[in-house]
Amino acid sequence: DQQVKQNSPSLSVQEGRISILNCDYTNSMFDYFLWYKKYPAEGPTFLISISSIKDKNEDGRFTVFLNKSAKHLSLHIVPSQPGDSAVYFCAAISTSGTYKYIFGTGTRLKVLA
Amino acid sequence: DADVTQTPRNRITKTGKRIMLECSQTKGHDRMYWYRQDPGLGLRLIYYSFDVKDINKGEISDGYSVSRQAQAKFSLSLESAIPNQTALYFCATSGTSGGWETQYFGPGTRLLVL
Repeated sequence: DQQVKQNSPSLSVQEGRISILNCDYTNSMFDYFLWYKKYPAEGPTFLISISSIKDKNEDGRFTVFLNKSAKHLSLHIVPSQPGDSAVYFCAAISTSGTYKYIFGTGTRLKVLA
Repeated sequence: DADVTQTPRNRITKTGKRIMLECSQTKGHDRMYWYRQDPGLGLRLIYYSFDVKDINKGEISDGYSVSRQAQAKFSLSLESAIPNQTALYFCATSGTSGGWETQYFGPGTRLLVL
């Protein structure tokens, strides 16, 4: 039973355009969500997060949107750059329960120059 | 210096052998985790620990054991390695800073079981 799902295994976007990566979750207890970026041969690195009390968080070119009623979050990258090409994972935790991070399966983003 | 280190970075072993993967952190975090990454399956949680005396099974703990030797050290053992344990293994820590919670990952250990 996959509690965090990333249904798009890959995405290609032209440089300068918007990249939108999606993530769905099933567990209503999740109250904190994170996005990580992973390059080959490296560990995932934290990108941006959002608490369930908010519906948007922005950091530079990266914005995360949360729709609690739909149990859906998305990561927008604007403008996309070739260096953004990586695998992106979303993760969810329940901060009132255990800090047990549950990850999606990842989306491979390729930004074309 | 890296905040989360893993040794070894690469390991080849044979079926039936016992191996240990080690993880150390300088973040000062109480929470530590072990994950494995397989193509198409993302990061799956093997074990996690919230302090030295607290060890919890994750989604896929069968065939693995862990030891939390100190706040900064969390090791993963494969008692009798099998080929389907060939994967990329990541250690992570987590903590809250400035109201924000996040995890920090090590560089990974690539394990091949023949």
